Amino acid sequence: DADVTQTPRNRITKTGKRIMLECSQTKGHDRMYWYRQDPGLGLRLIYYSFDVKDINKGEISDGYSVSRQAQAKFSLSLESAIPNQTALYFCATSVGDRNQPQHFGDGTRLSIL
Amino acid sequence: TQLLEQSPQFLSIQEGENLTVYCNSSSVFSSLQWYRQEPGEGPVLLVTVVTGGEVKKLKRLTFQFGDARKDSSLHITAAQPGDTGLYLCAGEDAGGTSYGKLTFGQGTILTVHP
Repeated sequence: DADVTQTPRNRITKTGKRIMLECSQTKGHDRMYWYRQDPGLGLRLIYYSFDVKDINKGEISDGYSVSRQAQAKFSLSLESAIPNQTALYFCATSVGDRNQPQHFGDGTRLSIL
Repeated sequence: TQLLEQSPQFLSIQEGENLTVYCNSSSVFSSLQWYRQEPGEGPVLLVTVVTGGEVKKLKRLTFQFGDARKDSSLHITAAQPGDTGLYLCAGEDAGGTSYGKLTFGQGTILTVHP
């Protein structure tokens, strides 16, 4: 079983719909992150959480919200989806020390028509 | 906001050739991480460099961290088709309590032709 699981893996929806992407992890890591990936732009940080009571905005948080329901679960919501939010979304986890890697899920491909 | 400029964006080479990918910034990083991503999967860590001037080797891949910890390079010797993929550099914030937070470069799509 994957250590970092994202659901759904693919989603097609219409403009204006509310969408939730879910991430769960079995690694026991305190820190969790949401990124979006667009061609030529690498990975850009949307939100991150360093523990259950901590939520921080990343560089592109407008139009998104998150919820950290437990140490193992971190969900990303698009309250009213728009076409330019079409992208590949990744969840990642890490331990709370310097110079440690992030561990990524396999991504959710989201298309907004 | 920290920026990390990665180049080139695309590389298409023949098997056996050498190549170098660069990541440059005006910011100092605590560490520089290199990831590789395959289609349909998330990025997977290749290496972390921490000390200015550090060089790490992973088989035919050589990673270097600049002396000032602002830049890094990835050199692949005698590339093989199995090296094909997306390579990403990522710098870790150096200051305060935001360590662990990464800034990614734009990525390099490498294609190695047999």
